[in-house]
Amino acid sequence: DAGITQSPRYKITETGRQVTLMCHQTWSHSYMFWYRQDLGHGLRLIYYSAAADITDKGEVPDGYVVSRSKTENFPLTLESATRSQTSVYFCASSEGRFGSYEQYFGPGTRLTVT
Amino acid sequence: ILNVEQSPQSLHVQEGDSTNFTCSFPSSNFYALHWYRWETAKSPEALFVMTLNGDEKKKGRISATLNTKEGYSYLYIKGSQPEDSATYLCAFGSNYQLIWGAGTKLIIKP
Repeated sequence: DAGITQSPRYKITETGRQVTLMCHQTWSHSYMFWYRQDLGHGLRLIYYSAAADITDKGEVPDGYVVSRSKTENFPLTLESATRSQTSVYFCASSEGRFGSYEQYFGPGTRLTVT
Repeated sequence: ILNVEQSPQSLHVQEGDSTNFTCSFPSSNFYALHWYRWETAKSPEALFVMTLNGDEKKKGRISATLNTKEGYSYLYIKGSQPEDSATYLCAFGSNYQLIWGAGTKLIIKP
């Protein structure tokens, strides 16, 4: 089925561990995004990618690493997880950068860091 | 620091009543204003993307207006139904970023 998927949907990890969240889209959209959603905050952009091998920081990039070797995949890695990274993570894709292109969201990954 | 404000934070509406809520955004560097609907346990879905001052968009019972000069957009829901219960997000798009509001949570009372 066409769409955008994320895995895992739920993850519990310990402080200091590395964890990778996966995102896969089947539309061949150029742009992909990682957001985190916390209570009381709007969606906050962590990283985005304009194309394979092109990534850039968003509003809250510290502690995260991304890569995009293929157009359809955009994994997000927490190098050494901290409790402050407990959040719901959404991956999104769009045909264009920001302005007039709507974004399509994956189902989210709920990450708990203990 | 660019800020997008949505009001109210939450709203309880009787089934059948009409309602509206507001998104305020910077009036400079405007490129587009997005509205998304976010149901519990699902992911946000786009309702409207508006780019021109004075734009009005409609989808069924939901409509939106845009005033870029004063920096606000209204979302209207006519004859609220239980399935309208959701959080409604707006996002301000400049040419280099999309900034999200915290959302208005709408609860429809039967």
